Amino acid sequence: EAQVTQNPRYLITVTGKKLTVTCSQNMNHEYMSWYRQDPGLGLRQIYYSMNVEVTDKGDVPEGYKVSRKEKRNFPLILESPSPNQTSLYFCASSLSLGTNGYTFGSGTRLTVV
Amino acid sequence: AQKVTQAQTEISVVEKEDVTLDCVYETRDTTYYLFWYKQPPSGELVFLIRRNSFDEQNEISGRYSWNFQKSTSSFNFTITASQVVDSAVYFCALRMNRDDKIIFGKGTRLHILP
Repeated sequence: EAQVTQNPRYLITVTGKKLTVTCSQNMNHEYMSWYRQDPGLGLRQIYYSMNVEVTDKGDVPEGYKVSRKEKRNFPLILESPSPNQTSLYFCASSLSLGTNGYTFGSGTRLTVV
Repeated sequence: AQKVTQAQTEISVVEKEDVTLDCVYETRDTTYYLFWYKQPPSGELVFLIRRNSFDEQNEISGRYSWNFQKSTSSFNFTITASQVVDSAVYFCALRMNRDDKIIFGKGTRLHILP
């Protein structure tokens, strides 16, 4: 089944403890992206990648890192999480610009205490 | 700067009524893509439609229709004969052609009352 898989689905962590949210797609998509969703703010793009080893900042990249060492994986790294990074995170992938939008993962609900 | 505005934060209608969700966008790019996504209460994001900037044809898919007007920078979404299963948050989004930056609107929460 074609899909974007994020792990974990839920995560509670403490301030400052490094964490990684994994994202993997099995559709051979070139484009991948991370978003955070907050009440009243909609979805905001954190980082995106147009190909292997090519990443770029979205609207809210501060406090996050990404890497794209292989086409299928696009992990989101929080080196030192803070409570304001408590949010619902979505990973998404797309075959190319102009194709039918992104396929989204199921989301990761992160709570930083 | 690019921007997407969904002025309607929340809408409630009675089942079988028609409802239109508004989306207004801003961009100086000449090539771009517009999308609508649905987020039902279960939380996943479901793609509904894509429209590129060169194609102003309106589209109909069952009870759903979309009206794209470049002159007013709008890409509105109408649900005809609404059903309770249409209850969700709907997002309009703008994607550039020169990179993969995507701007989402803040969403419209739609309640369809039985």
